[in-house]
Formats: sequence, structure tokens, C-alpha cells
Amino acid sequence: GIQVEQSPPDLILQEGANSTLRCNFSDSVNNLQWFHQNPWGQLINLFYIPSGTKQNGRLSATTVATERYSLLYISSSQTTDSGVYFCAGRNTNAGKSTFGDGTTLTVKP
Amino acid sequence: GAGVSQSPSNKVTEKGKDVELRCDPISGHTALYWYRQSLGQGLEFLIYFQGNSAPDKSGLPSDRFSAERTGGSVSTLTIQRTQQEDSAVYLCASSNLRGSGELFFGEGSRLTVL
Repeated sequence: GIQVEQSPPDLILQEGANSTLRCNFSDSVNNLQWFHQNPWGQLINLFYIPSGTKQNGRLSATTVATERYSLLYISSSQTTDSGVYFCAGRNTNAGKSTFGDGTTLTVKP
Repeated sequence: GAGVSQSPSNKVTEKGKDVELRCDPISGHTALYWYRQSLGQGLEFLIYFQGNSAPDKSGLPSDRFSAERTGGSVSTLTIQRTQQEDSAVYLCASSNLRGSGELFFGEGSRLTVL
């Protein structure tokens, strides 16, 4: 099956700083998502981005499908951005999505 | 429903007892997934249902775990003779494979086995 590697595993930022999270896939994927797991455990959908670039407020994501990686950018970070960020992907329309181990982000005031 | 609904939100049980966890997917979503998340860990795939196809059970950790999906909608995950290592948050997701196939998660069921 597909292997998913996320980096860095942990990230500590001062409020207002920018960051880039990375997700590498062992094989090509045609279904790729980024999630934020908040401190209460809820998984929030951030982006569905099998290719290209999307932006939503202070967050944006870019997937380079041919290179099998995706990047999540967080600008002007806020304490509410803290939590764990997961990427997940699969290479079929149907079937299970494989998750990375996540990046734990801590934003300090 | 508007979102994926899971129940119970919390379950504390004694070792050796059976538990049932329920998932009600988003209306119209044909695919349903169960994942497990142990404390501080990532998401571990358990089982996947798609329409009337045979489920993908490749992630079930032992024969104490089973799941069914009745009428193509609600799913129940059953854990028999629970063990302490079964303690985790069990997450259900659904997706519309006629659309993007994006996964949407419920809030999870936190299982504690004493």
C-alpha cells in the first residue's frame, strides 16, 4: 500500500510566524486531503487537493502530483492553529485513504 | 444527516465485555470508513464499506473486531472480549464517491477498557 511521510513531526512557532508542512507519498495519488485535528480531537477538513494550489484565508496548499508531495502553508499563525495536521491519500477513487503520522503544531502567544 | 454522527461519544467498559459503536454517515454518501486512533498516534485504517461491494476488512486487528453496514447506511463496529489495548478513539468517516471522494469524519467514540 501507499506510504505517507509527514515532516516535521513537531513544530513550535511564535504567534505571527509562518510555516510549511510537507507530505510525501510513496506512490502517485489521485485523492489527497489535509486535515487539522483540534485539541478536542475533531478532524477538520482543510483542503481536498489532488493537484494544484488552493488557498483559504491564511492557509494554502500545493500538491505536485508528478513529484508525489504536497505542502501546507500557514501564514501569520495564531494560537488556535495549534493541533495536529494530517495528510491522507489514495490512488483510487474508491478504497481506503492512508494517513501520515501527522505534524504537531504548537503556536505560542 | 448534516454530518457524520457517532455514538456513544464515550464508552468505559471492563476487560472482557463486548462493545458496539455506531456510525450514521452523511446522507447519500455511499462509502463508509472506520479508523482507530490510539493516544498520541496517527489514524489506523480498520474497515471500508462501499455500496453493495464486499467490505475491505484488511485493517481489522483481530477476529474480535467485526463491522456491518445495514441498508447501505448506518454501520456498527463490534469489539468482542475487549482488551486494554483496544482503548482508543474510533473514528468513522463517509464519502460521496460520485463526487470528489473527500472524507468527512465524525467526532469519534472514545473507548476506555479498564
